[in-house]
Amino acid sequence: GNSVTQMEGPVTLSEEAFLTINCTYTATGYPSLFWYVQYPGEGLQLLLKATKADDKGSNKGFEATYRKETTSFHLEKGSVQVSDSAVYFCALNAGGTSYGKLTFGQGTILTVHP
Amino acid sequence: NAGVMQNPRHLVRRRGQEARLRCSPMKGHSHVYWYRQLPEEGLKFMVYLQKENIIDESGMPKERFSAEFPKEGPSILRIQQVVRGDSAAYFCASSLSENSQMGQYFGPGTRLLVL
Repeated sequence: GNSVTQMEGPVTLSEEAFLTINCTYTATGYPSLFWYVQYPGEGLQLLLKATKADDKGSNKGFEATYRKETTSFHLEKGSVQVSDSAVYFCALNAGGTSYGKLTFGQGTILTVHP
Repeated sequence: NAGVMQNPRHLVRRRGQEARLRCSPMKGHSHVYWYRQLPEEGLKFMVYLQKENIIDESGMPKERFSAEFPKEGPSILRIQQVVRGDSAAYFCASSLSENSQMGQYFGPGTRLLVL
């Protein structure tokens, strides 16, 4: 079946530090990959996406590259801010008979201190 | 352009009562998904609906849970005879098409607490 594995948190960083959150996946076919962010008490917001191998998704200084050879989609940001504190979810859509169904990782809590 | 709306935002029920959760998708979206988030876990798919049709309910418990998306009005997730283990955040998402490579748009969620 399809699955997503994220690095365990929580992750605590100082402002302006470099961020990496690892994500690997298992899927049949050619999934689309996503990163979602969830701020406290809110729903999920799409942060970035990639739909095929070697695509790079980017938004608000965050980046992730779809690596088919390592089945990974690691999230990176060069300089985090306090406002980036949130829970980050990696997800995939396997397509085909999965329709739009998303399979999520367990989430990684990020806390950024001033 | 309103986003995905869910209500209520918080719902408290006693064991054995019914919980009814509502979701209005984004304007123009006819594809609705329900997910459940247990404490400190990721989201788990429950059900995928289009107008008047359940397309995939493979993630929904066979008993006590049901979902609908009528021709008119919001999508409803209904939980009968709630138990403490049903306490969770329930998120609705909508998309414009069946192929959601563009991603899904999520509502703020309904946080259900069963006493």
